[in-house]
Amino acid sequence: GAVVSQHPSRVICKSGTSVKIECRSLDFQATTMFWYRQFPKKSLMLMATSNEGSKATYEQGVEKDKFLINHASLTLSTLTVTSAHPEDSSFYICSAMTGQANTEAFFGQGTRLTVV
Amino acid sequence: GQNIDQPTEMTATEGAIVQINCTYQTSGFNGLFWYQQHAGEAPTFLSYNVLDGLEEKGRFSSFLSRSKGYSYLLLKELQMKDSASYLCAPNDYKLSFGAGTTVTVRA
Repeated sequence: GAVVSQHPSRVICKSGTSVKIECRSLDFQATTMFWYRQFPKKSLMLMATSNEGSKATYEQGVEKDKFLINHASLTLSTLTVTSAHPEDSSFYICSAMTGQANTEAFFGQGTRLTVV
Repeated sequence: GQNIDQPTEMTATEGAIVQINCTYQTSGFNGLFWYQQHAGEAPTFLSYNVLDGLEEKGRFSSFLSRSKGYSYLLLKELQMKDSASYLCAPNDYKLSFGAGTTVTVRA
């Protein structure tokens, strides 16, 4: 099946710094990518939907200036957590779809962010 | 917007059958996904229903009724490794997930 690579898998950063998470589709063109956040024992919370070449659509309650999403190419989307604080510590996961009908969304491995 | 409802938890014994129901309300609809997620891992794809009816894939089957806004995932011949969260996700051109159903399989 198709592969989505998410990097880094784990990151620890100091409060106030910014962290960039990359999501790459390795063997297909991802017209749409989704970014999720997941707290322990909770379900995936959709943060935003990004389409290549256009601005991301954020879900209600998600701060656009806090979580910067860039989908500059058909194989790469990035999520930057700006001025991170301990409450931003979470598991972040991306998924990608080709845009073709009846195809699944492929998930990256996830990034465990810890802000200290 | 979306409204997705699944049971929170289910428990069953090895070898048994479990049916996880999902009801949804979405502004648009382009099929419904079921994913499996083990703790600390990314979700893995199980099934995708676009048309009404039952789709069978080995031990897992998924059913969809678009008019009722209803789907279920059927797990047969349960194995211990099937203990996981099962996520229902109607695709209305953005992919949101329900709270998920945690299935615990006991020996």
